[in-house]
Amino acid sequence: AQKVTQAQTEISVVEKEDVTLDCVYETRDTTYYLFWYKQPPSGELVFLIRRNSFDEQNEISGRYSWNFQKSTSSFNFTITASQVVDSAVYFCALSRDNAGNMLTFGGGTRLMVKP
Amino acid sequence: DTAVSQTPKYLVTQMGNDKSIKCEQNLGHDTMYWYKQDSKKFLKIMFSYNNKELIINETVPNRFSPKSPDKAHLNLHINSLELGDSAVYFCASSQDFGSGGSLNTQYFGPGTRLTVL
Repeated sequence: AQKVTQAQTEISVVEKEDVTLDCVYETRDTTYYLFWYKQPPSGELVFLIRRNSFDEQNEISGRYSWNFQKSTSSFNFTITASQVVDSAVYFCALSRDNAGNMLTFGGGTRLMVKP
Repeated sequence: DTAVSQTPKYLVTQMGNDKSIKCEQNLGHDTMYWYKQDSKKFLKIMFSYNNKELIINETVPNRFSPKSPDKAHLNLHINSLELGDSAVYFCASSQDFGSGGSLNTQYFGPGTRLTVL
């Protein structure tokens, strides 16, 4: 069975601080995919990044960066110099290869960035 | 242009009624999905569907049924609504069915908030 754990239910930071959102996953598959989605207060789910299990290279996109470590089954997300607009619920998710592509989501981390 | 759209955005109805939520994607994707987000923000897959295969999450009651008139649409029909069905329902689509590559990235609609009274 697959499982995604986001241990931080809520994080509050002050603008311009760096913040890391943790994601730990469990799977027996050798091929799998990891995702991060953002859900702002308006409610939609916005795709941020996708990683497959064979690509452990870290990725940076502007103020966002992701650290994928298979050894610890973690796929952490860091926001540098946070802004108020980053306030949202962030979801980590996992999907299997050739299994209907269904996503297993973590419980989400609510990030509040205060001015 | 909206990539994945859902109607209605809000739906309030009485227990026991039958209702449908419509989903349309204009991305040319082959696969569509329905997810349920409960009041605690937990997101759970309900269905994964393309023109060849329907995969149903075993926890979904058979009162819920997806109906696909064509590749661009996957509507969610709910019979005999119950209080516990109150949630936000998200439709999503991806280009591929899960065979790898970047084609399995899912893009979500804006959600439909269903309230059962």
